[in-house]
This record gives sequence, structure tokens and C-alpha cells, in this order.
Amino acid sequence: QSALTQPPSASGSPGQSVTISCTGTSSDVGGYNYVSWYQQHPGKAPKVMIYEVSKRPSGVPDRFSGSKSGNTASLTLSGLQAEDEADYYCSSYGGSNNYVFGTGTKVTVL
Amino acid sequence: QVQLVESGGGVVQPGGSLRLSCAVSGFTFSRSGMHWVRQAPGKGLEWVAFLRYDGSNVFYADSVKGRFTISRDISKNTLYLQMNSLRAEDTAVYYCATSLEKPGDWGQGTLVTVSS
Repeated sequence: QSALTQPPSASGSPGQSVTISCTGTSSDVGGYNYVSWYQQHPGKAPKVMIYEVSKRPSGVPDRFSGSKSGNTASLTLSGLQAEDEADYYCSSYGGSNNYVFGTGTKVTVL
Repeated sequence: QVQLVESGGGVVQPGGSLRLSCAVSGFTFSRSGMHWVRQAPGKGLEWVAFLRYDGSNVFYADSVKGRFTISRDISKNTLYLQMNSLRAEDTAVYYCATSLEKPGDWGQGTLVTVSS
């Protein structure tokens, strides 16, 4: 199972929006609605921000939103805040009880 | 509240073995599927293994198949990862997690270093 493809970096000024893409195949992202997005600050465990493509766990601000089109999922951070600066990873169910993560995107708040 | 605490990491020589533990509390362990996920230093996340909620089936990434074994002891509320024939590329922080499809919980991780 190959890693899902994400841009290495993304950036925006406070208050702006940033969108991160996550490209897979019809065997993972395109085949299932089990795409999750994780935020990871340095030295910390990942924290789920979006699950099942577009659902937000309780406690996650509605500034975080997710979507999917074909084999590509997207995470949008609206109204960027300083604390949003972190690494972001997508993940997808890949069928046959396999799972795959994205390559990761470092978000910088300018 | 839900807690997952990994332990057992350390330095091991190539070809050696190590067993990681993940002590859990705050949820019904016997009815929960569990994952191991790892992250090499400065690299991204990699799914390693999954044990189904009923303990009937286990699944592995190709990179560890035949070398790693995931298991659990319900009486001890503990998940394990037995790692054999370790390689330098297995060096990583290893996390246990409750779910990758639904909002899940993760431990803080334990570092495994494979080096001579």
C-alpha cells in the first residue's frame, strides 16, 4: 500500500484559509468514506480533527472542514490561528483491513 | 477517561527482538479493535498492525508481516506488539490507537531504536 500524497507544506496569514489535498486511489480514498485528518504538534501524539471525510469530533472547532472528490480528499482550515501551525496527516481505509496514511503537510502560520 | 500508555521501547541491535505494551483504561477493551502506528524520526505516520475487536483476526502492513505480532491480554487490559528480526528501518516512535475510522484515542508513544 503506497502512502497517500500530500503537499509537503502550506501556509497562510492569520485569518486566511488554507486547503490541504490528499490524493490516493480508487482502492483507498476513492473507494471508502473512511478518510480521517490528524493534527500533530512537535513531540505530541496525533489528534483526529476530521473523520469519515467531513465529520468533526466534539471539541474540534468548525474552522476545520473536510471533503472528498474522487480519489482526492481535502482539509480546509478557515480563519487560521497561530495554534493551527502543525503537521497534518490524512489517513484512509484501504480495504482488506489495511490502512494508509498520507505523506504529511507542514502548515505554517505566517 | 480513556488512557493508553505505551512502554517497552528502547535500544536493540539489528536482528533482535522487543515487545511493546499498551496499557489501556477507560473503555471496554474486550470490545475494541486496536492499532499500532509508528513514526520514524522526522518522518510521517505509518500504519503497522490491527487487531479486530473480537480478537479473531489480525492484520499487518507488508513492511512488518512475518516479523511483528499483535496480540492482547484482556485480563490485563493490555495490547502487545512483539517485534522480531528488527531492522534499522524499524526505528520509530510506536503508538497504540483505538480507531483510525472513528474518533479514536492515542497513547503518547514509545521510542524503539534499532542500532548496533
